[in-house]
Amino acid sequence: GNSVTQMEGPVTLSEEAFLTINCTYTATGYPSLFWYVQYPGEGLQLLLKATKADDKGSNKGFEATYRKETTSFHLEKGSVQVSDSAVYFCALSDYKLSFGAGTTVTVRA
Amino acid sequence: EAGVAQSPRYKIIEKRQSVAFWCNPISGHATLYWYQQILGQGPKLLIQFQNNGVVDDSQLPKDRFSAERLKGVDSTLKIQPAKLEDSAVYLCASSLDPSGGDGYWVEQYFGPGTRLTVT
Repeated sequence: GNSVTQMEGPVTLSEEAFLTINCTYTATGYPSLFWYVQYPGEGLQLLLKATKADDKGSNKGFEATYRKETTSFHLEKGSVQVSDSAVYFCALSDYKLSFGAGTTVTVRA
Repeated sequence: EAGVAQSPRYKIIEKRQSVAFWCNPISGHATLYWYQQILGQGPKLLIQFQNNGVVDDSQLPKDRFSAERLKGVDSTLKIQPAKLEDSAVYLCASSLDPSGGDGYWVEQYFGPGTRLTVT
């Protein structure tokens, strides 16, 4: 079946540091890939998506590229802010969303 | 535009008791989802409705969980009787009709969730 494996946390960074959260997937067919974010006290929100190989999703300074050859969709941000503190979920969809376990990121001023 | 509403936000019950959660999706969204998110794990789909019909309930523990979506709008998820392992956040999400060929995807909008603690 389809599954997503993402980097375990928690991750603690200083402001303006570079953030990478690794995500790899196993799937039959050609799923769409997503990163969701859950800020403290809020619901899950879609951060970015990519629907086919080599697509790059981007939003709020975050980027991720759909790499079919390595079955990966790593999330990156060049300079994090305190407001980026949240739980990040990698997910894939072939009609049904399958989520990774989530990575808690804390950014300190 | 109002988002997905859920209530209650928090619930504490004893094992073997029953509990119900309510969800009101975004207006006009035909598809409604219930997810279970256990601490330290990602959300897991329990059931998906298309209007008032069930599309997928393959991961719903039907011996104790039930869900309905009368009139194709609001939905309730019930657990009876609850077990300790049911402690989790229950998320409701909604989306427009998914349609089209392979790879078509519609965004799901999530509510704030209901945190259930079973003691």
